[in-house]
Amino acid sequence: EPEVTQTPSHQVTQMGQEVILRCVPISNHLYFYWYRQILGQKVEFLVSFYNNEISEKSEIFDDQFSVERPDGSNFTLKIRSTKLEDSAMYFCASSDSGTGEKLFFGSGTQLSVL
Amino acid sequence: EDQVTQSPEALRLQEGESSSLNCSYTVSGLRGLFWYRQDPGKGPEFLFTLYSAGEEKEKERLKATLTKKESFLHITAPKPEDSATYLCAVPNYGGATNKLIFGTGTLLAVQP
Repeated sequence: EPEVTQTPSHQVTQMGQEVILRCVPISNHLYFYWYRQILGQKVEFLVSFYNNEISEKSEIFDDQFSVERPDGSNFTLKIRSTKLEDSAMYFCASSDSGTGEKLFFGSGTQLSVL
Repeated sequence: EDQVTQSPEALRLQEGESSSLNCSYTVSGLRGLFWYRQDPGKGPEFLFTLYSAGEEKEKERLKATLTKKESFLHITAPKPEDSATYLCAVPNYGGATNKLIFGTGTLLAVQP
């Protein structure tokens, strides 16, 4: 069964450093998302991406965050200058529909900012 | 603002002991309600979509139902492998895409 793959599975970084989280969505999907989950809290939406542009972003997704689809297979989330409060599990998801139904999530990248 | 509330936060069952999980929602216009399963250290895995009150969906030991204000996930004769966090979510319209608003989930533990 096709799956969304994310790398790395764990990332430890110092506050103020840049990190790039990588995702390979399911190949025929057109809608891409990043969500995050702080330990013990809800899964929360960060950004959606469709037709090579951001469709929607949350209040969390400020100027320190950016997304790219540099080629036909990868989808990346960059945090330019990490803060302690960015520590969370980051999930990439993809879908063949924009309705929100049947999102396929990756296993996540656990980001720890020290 | 759209909101999703799940109860209980945690539920411990004996194998074979049936129960139900609750998801209450407040939305401006329901465009569906989704159930996901999340195993520890993994991303959510899609289970069901419900679109209208009275609708039911089944998968193995799980059955999801929907009313105008809440959804239930009924678990019949659960097995230890059903242990997971069960999340419900509603879509919030955002142009070309709908973002999902998740509840905090119900952590289900099924003991043999």
